[in-house]
Formats: sequence, structure tokens, C-alpha cells
Amino acid sequence: EVQLVESGGGLVQPGGSLRLSCAASGFTFTTSWMHWVRQAPGKGLEWVSHINSDGTFTNYADSVKGRFTVSRDNAKNTLYLQVNSLRAEDTAVYYCARDKAYCPDYWGQGTLVTVSS
Amino acid sequence: QAGLTQPPSVSKGLRQTATLTCTGNSNDVGNQGAAWLQQHQGHPPKLLSYRNNNRPSGISERFSASRSGNTASLTITGLQPEDEADYYCSTWDNGLSAVVFGGGTKLTIL
Repeated sequence: EVQLVESGGGLVQPGGSLRLSCAASGFTFTTSWMHWVRQAPGKGLEWVSHINSDGTFTNYADSVKGRFTVSRDNAKNTLYLQVNSLRAEDTAVYYCARDKAYCPDYWGQGTLVTVSS
Repeated sequence: QAGLTQPPSVSKGLRQTATLTCTGNSNDVGNQGAAWLQQHQGHPPKLLSYRNNNRPSGISERFSASRSGNTASLTITGLQPEDEADYYCSTWDNGLSAVVFGGGTKLTIL
């Protein structure tokens, strides 16, 4: 069974940083592209970033480019998202998801990031 | 980044058929087709179909997807109370090298 478990969210002040993690199991993580997608309270889905299977290719939404960094540790079956210079508009549930044919298929339960002073 | 266009809401009666639409352009839906996701309140999204009408294992045949030009559609037949949810389309934008989502359609079962 595919399982994705996010962690690392919390309350952070504007300008602060967090490192989100996503522990993967039940599939071959080392050959899977992965995504981060976020959802602000009461809003729709917003794609944030993706990374290829060996971590050599990444891309980001314009809204987070230069502030967020996606990475992975295939030895630990874990995906990361380093989020820096946080703003109020970054407040959201952050989901990790596995890629299937260039779209996210299996999703974790998400981790909530709240940016507030 | 440009997104895909979905109607904000659709209302249909029990056991009726609903067709949800998703409009993009030749760089995204017109080129790659679309995926459809269902999200119930308080839960993560669930993939219903990808690349137009490929259903993952366990997804009911009542959900079928198609595409015509730059518009993708999701048809849900025999509507049930549990189909009340938000539905999102998603695709790959070749120009942006990024995933794009529609704004979502809230389906209400009357």
C-alpha cells in the first residue's frame, strides 16, 4: 500500500523557515518523480514544486521560486521541502504526492504551515 | 502561472449525470490531456483518472473522462450522495514545465 506521511509543519513568524519532510513507503521511491502541492484554507490546489527520481531536476511555481528548495534522500525514502522567507500567503496545508504521467496520484494527509506573528 | 478554467459550482439531483469541464490551451490540456481529482472536505485529493480516461485501480466506472481540443470533461453517472465533493483538473504545461490545476468545481447533490 502506498503511504506518504508529511511532517514538519507548524506556526512560524513571517520571514521564518521550516523543513517539511515526506516519508514514503509501499512503492519504489527511487524511481518516482515527486511533487509538493499546497492548499490555502478554503482555497484550491496550488502546485509548488517537483523533483525527478534522482534529484537532478527540479522546478518551482513562480510564487515560491528562490525561497523554497525541494530535495530527496533516496536512501531514506524521504522527500523534503525547505521553505524560507515565509509570508502570510504561504499559509497552507502542504501535501507531498507521487507522480503518475505528469500528475500527482497518491497524496499524503498533508502538514499545516501557518505563517503569523 | 496560468491555470485551467473550471466552473465554480455544479448542482445535480440524485441518480442524475453530471459533466464537469476544464478548459486550458494547446500547451497543456490540448497537448497532454487532463487528470481529474476528487477531494472531500478535510481529506487529501484522490486521483480519479489520468491522461484523459485512464482510471486507477478501485475507481468506479461511473467516472469517465474525455477531451475535445483544449477542453477536458469528467462525466459522473448515477450520482450518489458520496459524490458531493470538490473536483479538480490537472495537467502538465509544456511551456512552463510545471503542473497546473484548475480552480476546482464544487459538486452539490440535490
